[in-house]
Amino acid sequence: DGGITQSPKYLFRKEGQNVTLSCEQNLNHDAMYWYRQDPGQGLRLIYYSQIVNDFQKGDIAEGYSVSREKKESFPLTVTSAQKNPTAFYLCASSIARRGGSTQPQHFGDGTRLSIL
Amino acid sequence: GDSVTQMEGPVTLSEEAFLTINCTYTATGYPSLFWYVQYPGEGLQLLLKATKADDKGSNKGFEATYRKETTSFHLEKGSVQVSDSAVYFCALSVASGGYNKLIFGAGTRLAVHP
Repeated sequence: DGGITQSPKYLFRKEGQNVTLSCEQNLNHDAMYWYRQDPGQGLRLIYYSQIVNDFQKGDIAEGYSVSREKKESFPLTVTSAQKNPTAFYLCASSIARRGGSTQPQHFGDGTRLSIL
Repeated sequence: GDSVTQMEGPVTLSEEAFLTINCTYTATGYPSLFWYVQYPGEGLQLLLKATKADDKGSNKGFEATYRKETTSFHLEKGSVQVSDSAVYFCALSVASGGYNKLIFGAGTRLAVHP
């Protein structure tokens, strides 16, 4: 079955440490996204990528970095500059084309990041 | 700017009750509208969508109609089950800079009791 795999499911970060969250998709989607979800809030966009080797900042990119070296993979690094990293992180993908707003995004099961 | 407003939860219902979760939106252009559902500890799953005015999306007994005149996309189900307990997110999608930007409401938690 096609889908999006996020790992690990739970992750703990020490102060001053960078951690990387994995996201892999086999849906052959061009576009991939990272969202942050805080309790009682909707999702906020961190970064997105429409094509390999290209990515753009979303609404809350500070303290995060991404790479897109392969179509299938879009890892997110939470750097030590992110002072409040505790949250649920969701990766998504979609077909990317002009006028593609009718296409839904497909989500992984998320990674819950906590601070030790 | 573009935004989505959902009714605050939690919504608590008995099994077989009628469900309505209100959603209104503000958008320039012609957005597509979605309802996503999130079960505990999981990611979001697409529940239904509508891409133009007067479209009705439906899935698993849930329905929502795209009402442009009232800028609304309310979610309804005639008879809820315990297994419907989850958080429901209304979202709109607009084409922005060549990609489909998805804007979410804050989510509404539904708890269904036997």
